[in-house]
Amino acid sequence: KAGVTQTPRYLIKTRGQQVTLSCSPISGHRSVSWYQQTPGQGLQFLFEYFSETQRNKGNFPGRFSGRQFSNSRSEMNVSTLELGDSALYLCASSLAPSSNQPQHFGDGTRLSIL
Amino acid sequence: GDSVTQMEGPVTLSEEAFLTINCTYTATGYPSLFWYVQYPGEGLQLLLKATKADDKGSNKGFEATYRKETTSFHLEKGSVQVSDSAVYFCALSVRNTDKLIFGTGTRLQVFP
Repeated sequence: KAGVTQTPRYLIKTRGQQVTLSCSPISGHRSVSWYQQTPGQGLQFLFEYFSETQRNKGNFPGRFSGRQFSNSRSEMNVSTLELGDSALYLCASSLAPSSNQPQHFGDGTRLSIL
Repeated sequence: GDSVTQMEGPVTLSEEAFLTINCTYTATGYPSLFWYVQYPGEGLQLLLKATKADDKGSNKGFEATYRKETTSFHLEKGSVQVSDSAVYFCALSVRNTDKLIFGTGTRLQVFP
């Protein structure tokens, strides 16, 4: 059974550009969450999606957005990139939103802003 | 708001030593508690979990017990191996959501 797949693995952008990251959950998983990992702030929750609906949103500016498709695949978009957006972006999937369901993480997309 | 506090690292141990990584939490309601591990260049792997008070999660020789009275979920292993070297994250999730709140992570270094 394939795990959570995130593409691309590495990305280099410059300030002011925008970027789209993709996440394919484990087959059958319908809940997808996104996290930002940085050395300074650690792991911070970005969004949670279930059945194409955003259920929760973390404390990030409006430049960060996401969506989920009918096949449960999810994308997140960051517009007007800033140096501070350099981070590892992790996606996690589970069967459905519930703290009893284990979440499975992908290996992440490492975004570097020059 | 909800939060997780875990001990600062790095924790440096010799092979076969006993490991404890402390984790305490603050939460409204009754969260589930998790330990995740991250190896270099990889995402997070669920190590163990506990969903209610007094539950003990265990996996690969690691254990942690959900202590509601002390709001703690300390990670222990009786005999560490070099292959256990990684960063360990304590986390909680609020009921009926997938939102995880993580601690800052503790780097474990095990030397032969």
